[in-house]
Amino acid sequence: GDSVTQMEGPVTLSEEAFLTINCTYTATGYPSLFWYVQYPGEGLQLLLKATKADDKGSNKGFEATYRKETTSFHLEKGSVQVSDSAVYFCALIQANTGTASKLTFGTGTRLQVTL
Amino acid sequence: EAGVTQFPSHSVIEKGQTVTLRCDPISGHDNLYWYRRVMGKEIKFLLHFVKESKQDESGMPNNRFLAERTGGTYSTLKVQPAELEDSGVYFCASSPTGHTQYFGPGTRLTVL
Repeated sequence: GDSVTQMEGPVTLSEEAFLTINCTYTATGYPSLFWYVQYPGEGLQLLLKATKADDKGSNKGFEATYRKETTSFHLEKGSVQVSDSAVYFCALIQANTGTASKLTFGTGTRLQVTL
Repeated sequence: EAGVTQFPSHSVIEKGQTVTLRCDPISGHDNLYWYRRVMGKEIKFLLHFVKESKQDESGMPNNRFLAERTGGTYSTLKVQPAELEDSGVYFCASSPTGHTQYFGPGTRLTVL
């Protein structure tokens, strides 16, 4: 079955540092890929998405590129802020089933940004 | 536009009791999903409604879990009787198309 593997956290960075959170997936066909974020005390929010190979999703300074050759969707940000402290989830959905489908998530990576 | 809402935000019950979680999707979204995250592990799919019909309930762990969506609007997820391993955060999501899903804040369930 489909699966998503994320780097284990927590990841602790100083403000303005460069962030990479690795995500790789195993899936048949051509899934769509997502990053969701959960800020403390809040629900899951969609951060960005990519629907086909070589697409780059971006939002709030975060970027991720859909790499089919390496089955990866790594999340990056050039300069993190304290307000980026949250848990980040990588996920995929099978987009070509003809019916609406379920998301498959990774285990989440906690990011802590300090001053 | 109001987002997905869930009630309650927290629930603490004793083993063997019954708990009912409620989800109100974004208005007009036919697709409604339930997921849960147990003990800091990955978020796992439970089931999917299209309007009032169950499209996929392959993730429901056992027959102690019952989900309903009468009238195709809000949904309830009942756990009866609750066990210790049912503790976790239960998320609801809705979608107009099933592709991009919008999540609620979750219900944190603690079974003692």
